[in-house]
Amino acid sequence: DARVTQTPRHKVTEMGQEVTMRCQPILGHNTVFWYRQTMMQGLELLAYFRNRAPLDDSGMPKDRFSAEMPDATLATLKIQPSEPRDSAVYFCASGFLEGEQFFGPGTRLTVL
Amino acid sequence: DAKTTQPPSMDCAEGRAANLPCNHSTISGNEYVYWYRQIHSQGPQYIIHGLKNNETNEMASLIITEDRKSSTLILPHATLRDTAVYYCIAFEMGGGSQGNLIFGKGTKLSVKP
Repeated sequence: DARVTQTPRHKVTEMGQEVTMRCQPILGHNTVFWYRQTMMQGLELLAYFRNRAPLDDSGMPKDRFSAEMPDATLATLKIQPSEPRDSAVYFCASGFLEGEQFFGPGTRLTVL
Repeated sequence: DAKTTQPPSMDCAEGRAANLPCNHSTISGNEYVYWYRQIHSQGPQYIIHGLKNNETNEMASLIITEDRKSSTLILPHATLRDTAVYYCIAFEMGGGSQGNLIFGKGTKLSVKP
């Protein structure tokens, strides 16, 4: 049963520290998405890639967030420096068709 | 993408059909209706989608009105595990928004024994 995996599942860090979240998309999927979910804002798209090329990162704060796909089996989302307002659950999703996305279990980030 | 409107919450008795409504009165001809759900502490899960015709799969049925201004997701025999937030999304494949599924607040469905 193919699934999107994300690591770590939970991360607690102090303000100013670098945070790296990793995602392994489902093998063969050509599109990878990063979302952020908070109580206040709900689920927001941060960035997405097709065939490892970034297509849209307009939802991502550029000054501190960066997203990459070093290879087809790994997507990373990095925050440097982290701030308390970055506390959220970060989801990765992958798929073929834009509308049918398979989500991972998420990384719950707490920045103190 | 068209804005969708859903009731904030609904209850359903276990074993009964759950009918979740969604209004999308400004939907364009190229926009599909997608449904996802999110069970507590998990990532969203794709359920079903359709354009004009009614659709059915192993999870649910999707009924779209002829004028496409509204739709209903039907879970034929709701179980306690169907308790979740259900999102109705109008989405244009290949449109300017590309992969941008806009998740609103959804409907929190509570299935009760």
